[in-house]
Amino acid sequence: DIQMTQSPSTLSASVGDRVTITCRASQSISTWLAWYQQKPGKPPKFLIYRASILESGVPSRFSGSGSGTEFTLTISSLQPDDFATYYCQQYNSYSLTFGGGTKVEIK
Amino acid sequence: EVQLVESGGGLVQPGGSLRLSCAASGFTFSSYWIYWVRQAPGEGLEWVANINQDESKKYYVDSVKGRFTISRDNAKNSVFLQMNSLRAEDTALYYCARGSQGSNDGPGGYWGQGTLVTVSS
Repeated sequence: DIQMTQSPSTLSASVGDRVTITCRASQSISTWLAWYQQKPGKPPKFLIYRASILESGVPSRFSGSGSGTEFTLTISSLQPDDFATYYCQQYNSYSLTFGGGTKVEIK
Repeated sequence: EVQLVESGGGLVQPGGSLRLSCAASGFTFSSYWIYWVRQAPGEGLEWVANINQDESKKYYVDSVKGRFTISRDNAKNSVFLQMNSLRAEDTALYYCARGSQGSNDGPGGYWGQGTLVTVSS
């Protein structure tokens, strides 16, 4: 099975900061990668698919990049609504896997 | 409006069974993959199972193979997760999510609110 490793697990940042979250796959997954945002008590929100394509309605401050085994999610200017936990998820194989999550906290 | 509503969760003893249901509305249910994803208290997301449009493809995470069965009834716009031989580590909030019309692309943008399964004596 493909393992997904996110770093950091926790990130402290301030409003306006540029934030980057990394996701590494244990083997190449091309660009079959999605990103989700989750807030406490809510289901995940779909942000990005095919590693870099923004889901409709997602603010343009979010961007994704990468291919193969290394991927990044970048928030260009952190807003108060962005404090949440972020997950990557691969869909290269029939067996889907999520990363362990990155919690973005207020500094 | 796309809606997914899970039900059937509850408290069950180890070794017991539960059947989760997910009722869908607001889209052509028979055209989409459907996923079950769970989240243990305070933990991350874990894909559990998924099913394609005509039930010809069903996939499971290794930890539930042989114990859980996913199925769907396109006439009733519903998907089910039969969970047998439940273990404490199956305790989680179980989400139903809509996938794509094409390939096994993952859960995508529509999720239910989840149903809580607690396995404890």
